[in-house]
Amino acid sequence: DADVTQTPRNRITKTGKRIMLECSQTKGHDRMYWYRQDPGLGLRLIYYSFDVKDINKGEISDGYSVSRQAQAKFSLSLESAIPNQTALYFCATSDPGTRRADTQYFGPGTRLTVL
Amino acid sequence: KNQVEQSPQSLIILEGKNCTLQCNYTVSPFSNLRWYKQDTGRGPVSLTIMTFSENTKSNGRYTATLDADTKQSSLHITASQLSDSASYICVVTGADSWGKLQFGAGTQVVVTP
Repeated sequence: DADVTQTPRNRITKTGKRIMLECSQTKGHDRMYWYRQDPGLGLRLIYYSFDVKDINKGEISDGYSVSRQAQAKFSLSLESAIPNQTALYFCATSDPGTRRADTQYFGPGTRLTVL
Repeated sequence: KNQVEQSPQSLIILEGKNCTLQCNYTVSPFSNLRWYKQDTGRGPVSLTIMTFSENTKSNGRYTATLDADTKQSSLHITASQLSDSASYICVVTGADSWGKLQFGAGTQVVVTP
């Protein structure tokens, strides 16, 4: 979805390095999310933010941190990358509306490899 | 244990044929269920959404069904096309959550000529 962009699209790094993945959106949505996807597993939530001042941990936040620089920007950082953080990372946005119609719109993903 | 289980893990079908994908969930209380399509190298895109009171929803050649009593959903693809090759992900939202989604692992569909 071109309305949600992620950079970089691919990244190879070494164990112990600090990495930042960036997400930008032009949809005007308040809510933003970071997920990781591993083969054979469903997407798992890392962090989510309901607005610039509201950031919450998801189910697998250990080893990650985030920054919501503006409504349109939400960055994910790996403070000290380790090999089991090798995965496909997705950013998503949603418009609260009514909770039952809270469809999420995903970016194209960032493939991260930690050697 | 994952609260959303999908089957089969993968399937191969001939172009023009139909197929049905299954999703069983244990999320309770239930708010809604979505089917997403994820093309290789892309993010998931929503196909359908069904709430408790809806038992069928169509989007072109895709038809989703929901039985909230048995906590089962299916996605039927009619007259498959090569462009249907993708992973199809079942996603359930609980009624007591803020909108947190529970994702299935997906069914990988390959449509061959």
